[in-house]
Amino acid sequence: AQSVAQPEDQVNVAEGNPLTVKCTYSVSGNPYLFWYVQYPNRGLQFLLKYITGDNLVKGSYGFEAEFNKSQTSFHLKKPSALVSDSALYFCAVRDWNSGYSTLTFGKGTMLLVSP
Amino acid sequence: DTGVSQDPRHKITKRGQNVTFRCDPISEHNRLYWYRQTLGQGPEFLTYFQNEAQLEKSRLLSDRFSAERPKGSFSTLEIQRTEQGDSAMYLCASSISGGGETQYFGPGTRLLVL
Repeated sequence: AQSVAQPEDQVNVAEGNPLTVKCTYSVSGNPYLFWYVQYPNRGLQFLLKYITGDNLVKGSYGFEAEFNKSQTSFHLKKPSALVSDSALYFCAVRDWNSGYSTLTFGKGTMLLVSP
Repeated sequence: DTGVSQDPRHKITKRGQNVTFRCDPISEHNRLYWYRQTLGQGPEFLTYFQNEAQLEKSRLLSDRFSAERPKGSFSTLEIQRTEQGDSAMYLCASSISGGGETQYFGPGTRLLVL
């Protein structure tokens, strides 16, 4: 079985400050890890993914994420937050050993960036 | 726009009625996924197709739900005898099969069952 935990329902940060949105995962094999962002009444937009290789992954809109196998984490980061980054962020995992193609998502973390 | 499209965007129906949603994937994508998202939750997998074959179905997909992808292009998701608990956002995603494939999502269909 595969699962994802996003321990924070909401993260508040001031514009210009660095942000971190946390994600931990559980898989029996090796993970593919993804971050998506959702704006109100919209579908999910892909931000970035970890497949293999460098543990630091860079994605869209200045976001990056660090894969940490020992801590089973894949935290999303951005050096300087923008008000327009305010949205709902989802972490997702797929166990590439399982033979299944489906993603398992966390419950989401609401990011609020204040001016 | 060459992204995933879904129709309708909103649907209000009365309990017991049948509803059908359509998803048009990105044209060269051979995989198509359906998810359900309720308030405060992440998307939950329902089913997926590779070309026209339905390869996986979640336990969430009760016998009132049926999905098709008859020609390996667009897909439909039908809910029969709707219940208030079916109220949710229904999301479609598509991808090209491969190890680390990225799923691209449509805007969703929001269903409200009265």
